Amino acid sequence: SQTIHQWPATLVQPVGSPLSLECTVEGTSNPNLYWYRQAAGRGLQLLFYSVGIGQISSEVPQNLSASRPQDRQFILSSKKLLLSDSGFYLCASRRGQYYGYTFGSGTRLTVV
Amino acid sequence: AQKITQTQPGMFVQEKEAVTLDCTYDTSDPSYGLFWYKQPSSGEMIFLIYQGSYDQQNATEGRYSLNFQKARKSANLVISASQLGDSAMYFCAMREVTNFGNEKLTFGTGTRLTIIP
Repeated sequence: SQTIHQWPATLVQPVGSPLSLECTVEGTSNPNLYWYRQAAGRGLQLLFYSVGIGQISSEVPQNLSASRPQDRQFILSSKKLLLSDSGFYLCASRRGQYYGYTFGSGTRLTVV
Repeated sequence: AQKITQTQPGMFVQEKEAVTLDCTYDTSDPSYGLFWYKQPSSGEMIFLIYQGSYDQQNATEGRYSLNFQKARKSANLVISASQLGDSAMYFCAMREVTNFGNEKLTFGTGTRLTIIP
């Protein structure tokens, strides 16, 4: 079965600082990978998805970028964080037609 | 464009009672999938149940069942005999196919369920 590792679990960063969140997947190959953001008390907003190495699709124009340097590695980055980048970031991998996604445990980012 | 609507921001239910969480969706695709996820306070997303648009019967998984009414475009989650551990956020989601033939899940805004002892 799939397992998704995300780190760090929590992060407090000053405005204007860079960001790098990493997600790695075990138990599958060539997965579809996704980055979601959840604002406090809100639903999940899809930020990026990737169907393969180097292939990134952006859903929402924003201050963030994503990269997929290896088959099972997905990275979310920012050069300069904004206050509005605060939220709970979840990485997900497509598990199959009938099961939706497997999610990582998430990173709670607070920009101060 | 597809859309998922969850109109109940919060619900309080007595322990051992059944609870129904509402979800309506909007799509023009004939083939789609609907999911429910549970998110405890820890933040993890736990898959609960899936319903395909062509499935003839309502999906069931233990204490969870999905009341699928295709003509009304609703996919309500029913939890029977609620337990204190059911207190969490619940999200309805729909599988959407992108312009390039890839898949993504679109989520509703969620319902916070609180079980009262």
